[in-house]
Amino acid sequence: DTGVSQNPRHKITKRGQNVTFRCDPISEHNRLYWYRQTLGQGPEFLTYFQNEAQLEKSRLLSDRFSAERPKGSFSTLEIQRTEQGDSAMYLCASSYPEGTKGSGYEQYFGPGTRLTVT
Amino acid sequence: GEDVEQSLFLSVREGDSSVINCTYTDSSSTYLYWYKQEPGAGLQLLTYIFSNMDMKQDQRLTVLLNKKDKHLSLRIADTQTGDSAIYFCALRLSGGYQKVTFGTGTKLQVIP
Repeated sequence: DTGVSQNPRHKITKRGQNVTFRCDPISEHNRLYWYRQTLGQGPEFLTYFQNEAQLEKSRLLSDRFSAERPKGSFSTLEIQRTEQGDSAMYLCASSYPEGTKGSGYEQYFGPGTRLTVT
Repeated sequence: GEDVEQSLFLSVREGDSSVINCTYTDSSSTYLYWYKQEPGAGLQLLTYIFSNMDMKQDQRLTVLLNKKDKHLSLRIADTQTGDSAIYFCALRLSGGYQKVTFGTGTKLQVIP
């Protein structure tokens, strides 16, 4: 169990460019989550996948944001036409299926991708 | 919608107990969590409590839940300098939702 990994760890981009982040969850986990954390705030939920199905989306996830998990393993989060307000830490988390290894509700977080839009 | 409030800052002396408080508005919360975030690191789950429990103890950590007042607290006994971090209260609602709502975090400073 190597933990949740995210790449890249840091990304600096110019306004208007597209960026894509990758998350590799813990291998036994079928649930995957994306959060955004701005300075001085707690993480805000963006979206949730169970296997390859995207089951929940926050209204924070504007049409410039798209997330995928095509094979039910790794996930990507793409931001199109980035804006300065998109600058934040993007966190990925994963959890076990319900009913296994305890409650299944504990989310394990990766180290995050820090995005800076200039 | 749900709202989760925490005080921003807490300072304690090494060896003392720390108590970090959290209040929330949505009474349908089912799971309540405490996470720790150190500078440059991801969030680490410390402990969690089900809404049908009043207390949970795990080594130096004690979680108290007052459902009537919608108040959650985390007590850290014998606080060490390594406990200095930001602590987030978080909750998950009933109804099968996976979304977890986080508070703004409490920065704990441990003075040697």
